[in-house]
Amino acid sequence: SQQGEEDPQALSIQEGENATMNCSYKTSINNLQWYRQNSGRGLVHLILIRSNEREKHSGRLRVTLDTSKKSSSLLITASRAADTASYFCATVPSWGKLQFGAGTQVVVTP
Amino acid sequence: DVKVTQSSRYLVKRTGEKVFLECVQDMDHENMFWYRQDPGLGLRLIYFSYDVKMKEKGDIPEGYSVSREKKERFSLILESASTNQTSMYLCASSRGIRRSSYEQYFGPGTRLTVT
Repeated sequence: SQQGEEDPQALSIQEGENATMNCSYKTSINNLQWYRQNSGRGLVHLILIRSNEREKHSGRLRVTLDTSKKSSSLLITASRAADTASYFCATVPSWGKLQFGAGTQVVVTP
Repeated sequence: DVKVTQSSRYLVKRTGEKVFLECVQDMDHENMFWYRQDPGLGLRLIYFSYDVKMKEKGDIPEGYSVSREKKERFSLILESASTNQTSMYLCASSRGIRRSSYEQYFGPGTRLTVT
């Protein structure tokens, strides 16, 4: 069963713009992770945020976590064509196994 | 860098055939996972293993079995392939003890078509 649900399902932006996607989940978590998947490939881990953290940065990525609202957001700043991919959030409940959402498809046009 | 490899990128099999998907990781990770990915459904966990010869069912184990004889290798077996098992299969590994919550490293995936 899916724990995390991403919103929007699809996003189309121009190069240089920021892209924001959200993830909502249902049960309490140990941590939340974001992954990227290029078309037809495996997933690549982007960032992990623990339940006691509120914000985390990695390069052009910014992740926030609001445990009171059971939601997280991923912001990609100054997007590039190479950012075109599907982005998944994965929640880790206290019992450990990752639960993936259905993903947000991001298209960045030059 | 962690490397997770899968035996095939594309595979076409007939209904009723026995299918083996193999996965190898080179970072001495304790945990290994098999997922299937279908449009609109995200990734669903089939089986995982936290040690050699140990396995646990995931969310959708029916029709599948697994084998982990060596730490670096985790095999997914479709005993009798059916058309509803046509999907992308992804293998992953992670460090840590059982039920750890560390990041997972994925292989490139195997797109299986059952005709």
